[in-house]
Amino acid sequence: GAVVSQHPSRVICKSGTSVKIECRSLDFQATTMFWYRQFPKKSLMLMATSNEGSKATYEQGVEKDKFLINHASLTLSTLTVTSAHPEDSSFYICSASTGLGGYTFGSGTRLTVV
Amino acid sequence: GQQVMQIPQYQHVQEGEDFTTYCNSSTTLSNIQWYKQRPGGHPVFLIQLVKSGEVKKQKRLTFQFGEAKKNSSLHITATQTTDVGTYFCAGIYGHSGGGADGLTFGKGTHLIIQP
Repeated sequence: GAVVSQHPSRVICKSGTSVKIECRSLDFQATTMFWYRQFPKKSLMLMATSNEGSKATYEQGVEKDKFLINHASLTLSTLTVTSAHPEDSSFYICSASTGLGGYTFGSGTRLTVV
Repeated sequence: GQQVMQIPQYQHVQEGEDFTTYCNSSTTLSNIQWYKQRPGGHPVFLIQLVKSGEVKKQKRLTFQFGEAKKNSSLHITATQTTDVGTYFCAGIYGHSGGGADGLTFGKGTHLIIQP
């Protein structure tokens, strides 16, 4: 079935540094990928829609200069958290539509900023 | 903005009892999907409902989509310990199944099962 691979699964970084998270569709092409953020025991909040070959569409309240999204190919989207601060610590997860109904999610990245 | 409300937030049941979680949107949905997330895991797609009044079953799970396409429910019959997790509904307000719309998630219902 459709698989989305997300790396890294966990990352700890120092405040002020940047972190890149990759999301790959392994056996299908994903023209659109989505990035979500999830706080502990909370729901997933859509951050942005990543479109292959064009600029990402950000949800209201999400800083596009802080959360840089690049979707350079049909199988890869990246989210870079720039100048990370402790409040950016969260679980970030990507997803893509398989075209078969429903969305496949990556395994998520737990970011801790110290 | 568009929101999907989901209740209850937590549900404790004895193993073998039934469980139901409900979702409601203030505006009409294009379709609604249900996901299960285990602790420490990622959401796993369960089902998508598209048609008004649709009812789908997966073994002990029954999913319903309201006539007005504003509400949905998931019912689990005779819960088992493997059913533990958080169940999320997620709605799409845009094009039906087009794959170009992000999901608006409900807050989820944490199902806790006591043996």
